[in-house]
Amino acid sequence: QVRLLESGPGLVKPSETLSLTCGVPPASISSYYWSWIRQPPGKGLEWIGYISNSGSATYNPSLKSRVTMSVDTSKSQFSLKLTSVTAADTAVFYCVGHVAGLRPMDHWGRGTLVIVSS
Amino acid sequence: EIVLTQSPDFQSVTPREKVTITCRASQTIGSSLHWYQQKPDQSPKLLIKYASQSISGVPSRFSGAGSGTDFTLTINSLEAEDAATYYCHQSGALPHTFGQGTKLEI
Repeated sequence: QVRLLESGPGLVKPSETLSLTCGVPPASISSYYWSWIRQPPGKGLEWIGYISNSGSATYNPSLKSRVTMSVDTSKSQFSLKLTSVTAADTAVFYCVGHVAGLRPMDHWGRGTLVIVSS
Repeated sequence: EIVLTQSPDFQSVTPREKVTITCRASQTIGSSLHWYQQKPDQSPKLLIKYASQSISGVPSRFSGAGSGTDFTLTINSLEAEDAATYYCHQSGALPHTFGQGTKLEI
């Protein structure tokens, strides 16, 4: 099991940028693809996008215009930025590891709740 | 995008019962269908991959079947600890998508 740990502000104001980071064991950072998945309170799961271990990102078209992902192998972490947030972006955000782009989601972080509110 | 539709949305069940959850895809996805279990206040956990492949550490009472557009997750002899929401997920085409979830109440 690969242990992942999300970190970032739990409260973001509307119209601002949500920024999250996921810490990964150093031995794993170059071995997986890394996704962000979100879950609004009481609702289902939505894939946001993934970044490969080489830094190539692929996003969900529904969020593509607002999402940027990056990976920093020297710090053994990857990041998510979601711009122009609204209350509809309030969710638990999970970082997830998987073997390749089109594969099952093997390893999940514990998740972090981000609330968008003024 | 590929839409996954699960049924039922909710089921009240009793211990030792056999439960079947179905997942239907809007387009054929071969066997690229995976199942997750999510307990309250926990992250999802991979239960079955590629429609029917078991995952190490997952009890043998969980099994999956199907291909193309129609898939099932079966839980034999349900236990109290199986109370959770179950999601299907397709990795056959981008974007990754999930079913709406099936909540089992025991």
